[in-house]
Amino acid sequence: GQQLNQSPQSMFIQEGEDVSMNCTSSSIFNTWLWYKQDPGEGPVLLIALYKAGELTSNGRLTAQFGITRKDSFLNISASIPSDVGIYFCAGQDSQGAQKLVFGQGTRLTINP
Amino acid sequence: DAMVIQNPRYQVTQFGKPVTLSCSQTLNHNVMYWYQQKSSQAPKLLFHYYDKDFNNEADTPDNFQSRRPNTSFCFLDIRSPGLGDAAMYLCATSRDLWGREQYFGPGTRLTVT
Repeated sequence: GQQLNQSPQSMFIQEGEDVSMNCTSSSIFNTWLWYKQDPGEGPVLLIALYKAGELTSNGRLTAQFGITRKDSFLNISASIPSDVGIYFCAGQDSQGAQKLVFGQGTRLTINP
Repeated sequence: DAMVIQNPRYQVTQFGKPVTLSCSQTLNHNVMYWYQQKSSQAPKLLFHYYDKDFNNEADTPDNFQSRRPNTSFCFLDIRSPGLGDAAMYLCATSRDLWGREQYFGPGTRLTVT
């Protein structure tokens, strides 16, 4: 099945550092979503993107829908301990498949 | 606040003993999804309902069934749980099928003994 390539798989950073992660696909996507999942909880939607080139912020988080419609990135500025978790990208492709395709996740660890 | 609720949060069942997980939503969304998530993996879609129309993923085992008696509620039935069915089960909703964000519940952690 279709897959998204999400990188990096894990990150170990110091508190206060900025974080960047991205997802790429082999096909064109109409929607990109970024989720954060804490241990033992369901994914929480952070940012939704619907247009190529769209840049959207949610507090210290910024995400962009790539111009080619085949990629997206998520940036976190000035990381804090509660940013720890697994971040998933997800998207819906232009072929009309009625479901989300997920990336493999980026596990973020922060050293205080 | 509008939300997706899953009960129970933790469920222990015996090998082969049927179990039902429940999901309810106050978002009045048309679509409800069930995902299975194993440790350190992305959620895997099992099936979804668009209103009353049921759509099963091709690789979802027959052991997994679902019911949606009304807009607000959806159930996941595992007829004969095996050890390999131990996982987090996530319910999600969306307003419709096309290009819309999905909202997840907190999940039910299923243990099979």
